[in-house]
Order: sequence, then C-alpha cells, then structure tokens
Amino acid sequence: AQSVTQLDSQVPVFEEAPVELRCNYSSSVSVYLFWYVQYPNQGLQLLLKYLSGSTLVKGINGFEAEFNKSQTSFHLRKPSVHISDTAEYSCGNTGKLIFGQGTTLQVKP
Amino acid sequence: NAGVMQNPRHLVRRRGQEARLRCSPMKGHSHVYWYRQLPEEGLKFMVYLQKENIIDESGMPKERFSAEFPKEGPSILRIQQVVRGDSAAYFCASSSTAGQNPTYEQYFGPGTRLTVT
Repeated sequence: AQSVTQLDSQVPVFEEAPVELRCNYSSSVSVYLFWYVQYPNQGLQLLLKYLSGSTLVKGINGFEAEFNKSQTSFHLRKPSVHISDTAEYSCGNTGKLIFGQGTTLQVKP
Repeated sequence: NAGVMQNPRHLVRRRGQEARLRCSPMKGHSHVYWYRQLPEEGLKFMVYLQKENIIDESGMPKERFSAEFPKEGPSILRIQQVVRGDSAAYFCASSSTAGQNPTYEQYFGPGTRLTVT
C-alpha cells in the first residue's frame, strides 16, 4: 500500500537559517511526489513536484526537493528561510494525493 | 480566472443536523476531489468525482457521508446527522485532466471549517 510519512510535526527555525522538512514514501508502483504549502486560513498551493527525470526539483519561493530512490525520501529544503515561510507543509504521493501528516514550519525572528 | 471556491468558509452545526459543503471548481475543470483534515492530522482523501459520476469513494465513511457533482452547479459534500467527530476542515480540489494521470496538478480551495457543537 502507498503511504507517506512526515517525521516532524513541527520544525522551529530562526530567520535566515536553512531548513529541511523530511518526507519518506513507500510504494510498490511508480512514484510521483508533491509538496504543498498551506498558509494560515488559505488553501493548499503546489510548491513543487517530481514526476521523472532530474532528481533535484526546484519549486516556488526558493524551495527545492531531492528525490532519493534508495532512501525512499523526498525531503524539502530551503537555504535561508523568511518569516513569511511560516506555514503548514504537506508531502503527497500520486493520483488521489496520499498526504503525510503535515509539518508546521515556524520561522522565528 | 477565479480559483476553486468553497462555501461556506465556516459552518457550525449541532449534533444531529445536516451539513452541506459546496465546491465550485476552477473554470474548465471537470474533476473534483474532497479531502478532510482532522485536528493535528494530515489531509485524507475522501472522494473523487467527475461530472455526474463518482469515480473513487474509497476514503468516504460508509455512513452519513455522500457527495455529488451534478452536470450544472457546484459539487456538494453532504454529512447527515453530524457528530462531534465530524468537526474538521474539508478541502476541495479540482483538476483539468484525469485523476489517474499523475502529471496533473490539483488546485485547492480555501476549505470549509465545520464545527459540530
């Protein structure tokens, strides 16, 4: 069965520090992975997606993610975060979007 | 081009009442998905519909929940005889291509926050 696991429910980080949000998947079929961001009181917005090809995927707002088949991971990274990046981040997999539990990124000044 | 619209944004119901949540997909989109987000949990897929057809309802609770996407008008998620455990955020998403095509992108609405008292 397909599943997605986000290991960290909350990630506090200071402004301008780097951040990594972890996502691991399990799947016996082809893998298509997404990261969505949800700002307070808003709907989800696609950050980036991996379908095939280059394992390093660049998204909006300076985020990128690396697909690692051997480690079954799709971690999200940003080299320097801003206060405005404070949001809920969800990793999802394939067609009907099986989501992880979500990670709240809290950027402190 | 207006995005996915959901209304109401907030809905309060007493136990035993019915809740009707509406979703208008983006213009030109004929595929609608409903997700539920319980407190402290990630989004869970509920149902996938095309116009006048339910394609996949594997995430829908067996009782009290139903969904439709008529030929005209918005998609409706109906919850009958609500209980406190139904309190959650319900998100709708739409896409322009088949749900089985993984290259599509789902566009999400702002959600309806249901509170059952």
